[in-house]
Amino acid sequence: SQKIEQNSEALNIQEGKTATLTCNYTNYSPAYLQWYRQDPGRGPVFLLLIRENEKEKRKERLKVTFDTTLKQSLFHITASQPADSATYLCALFNQGGKLIFGQGTELSVKP
Amino acid sequence: NAGVTQTPKFQVLKTGQSMTLQCAQDMNHEYMSWYRQDPGMGLRLIHYSVGAGITDQGEVPNGYNVSRSTTEDFPLRLLSAAPSQTSVYFCASSSPRRGQSYEQYFGPGTRLTVT
Repeated sequence: SQKIEQNSEALNIQEGKTATLTCNYTNYSPAYLQWYRQDPGRGPVFLLLIRENEKEKRKERLKVTFDTTLKQSLFHITASQPADSATYLCALFNQGGKLIFGQGTELSVKP
Repeated sequence: NAGVTQTPKFQVLKTGQSMTLQCAQDMNHEYMSWYRQDPGMGLRLIHYSVGAGITDQGEVPNGYNVSRSTTEDFPLRLLSAAPSQTSVYFCASSSPRRGQSYEQYFGPGTRLTVT
């Protein structure tokens, strides 16, 4: 069955540095992959979608890459700020057309 | 637009009780879904619907029922609550026909405790 794995360990970085989060998937090659942000006590909020034919996608300080050979997506936040502290989730539609999520990686940006 | 709304925000049930979690959206979205979120487990899909009158099972459907009589509403019913159903429940909606991002809009969640 389809699996998505994100680093369960929290990522702690200094303000101004680039944060890099990893999303790995197995058993199926999705046509596209999504990234969401979730703040404590709130529902996830959509950030970006990247398609299998796109190597890279950018939105302001966010950059997402998609390597279908490695079955991996990387999510980068450049010039990180304390306000970027949150949990970041990746998601994809599996073979059955169901949207499934990774367990999320918590990012903490220290001033 | 209110977006996706969920009620109640908090609920405590005793084992064996039943209840319905409400979800409504005012964006005319065809696709609606229910997820539960547990520590370390991420979001797991319970049930989903691609339109009024159509529902299907997700990854963890046991113990839950859904129906979709209107485009706006997608209630989740717990038939006989169990402590294993203690979780935070999120409803989401999207419209695959509009735009190409398949963006899911999530509600604020319902925190359920079963004792």
